[in-house]
Amino acid sequence: EIVMTQSPATLSVSPGERATLSCRASQSVSSNLAWYQQKPGQAPRLLIYGASTRATGIPARFSGSGSGTEFTLTISSLQSEDFAVYYCQQYNNWPPAGTFGGGTKVEIK
Amino acid sequence: EVQLVESGGGLVQPGGSLRLSCAASGFTFSSYAMHWVRQAPGKGLEYVSAISSNGGSTYYANSVKGRFTISRDNSKNTLYLQMGSLRAEDMAVYYCARDPGIAVAGRGYFDYWGQGTLVTVSS
Repeated sequence: EIVMTQSPATLSVSPGERATLSCRASQSVSSNLAWYQQKPGQAPRLLIYGASTRATGIPARFSGSGSGTEFTLTISSLQSEDFAVYYCQQYNNWPPAGTFGGGTKVEIK
Repeated sequence: EVQLVESGGGLVQPGGSLRLSCAASGFTFSSYAMHWVRQAPGKGLEYVSAISSNGGSTYYANSVKGRFTISRDNSKNTLYLQMGSLRAEDMAVYYCARDPGIAVAGRGYFDYWGQGTLVTVSS
């Protein structure tokens, strides 16, 4: 099973600052990686797929990069609505499985 | 507008059974693979199961294999998850999610999610 590791577990950032979230795969997943945002009490929302393609309606301040085993989600200038938990998910070995990272909580500094 | 509405969650005793449903609207349901993903209280996301667009192929996480059965009724635009031999560790919010891929088996990620239904396993 491919293990996805996200770091840091918690990121404290001031509004307007840049946030950089990392996701590492235990083996190459090519560019088959997605990022999701989840706010308290809400369902996850797709932000990025194919490692770097923004989903429909996602603001340009969200960007994804990386391939193979190392990936990054960057939020260029944090807005109040961006404070949430972010998950990465690989889907390289789909089917039959896709695995999630443990999440990074972005909190207000 | 794509909508996914889960139902069927509730309190069940260990060893019991429950069937979840997910009613889909706003898109051609029969064209998309569908998934179930769960989240234990205060924990991260865990993939549970998936079904191809035509229902011909199903996939399960090892943690639920042999106990859960995914199915769909394309005439009713509804996805199901039959859960049996429930354990305390199955307690979670269960989300249904759409796969955006055009292949029968989908791509393995999720572009639309329902709001989830809570399954509580306790005696």
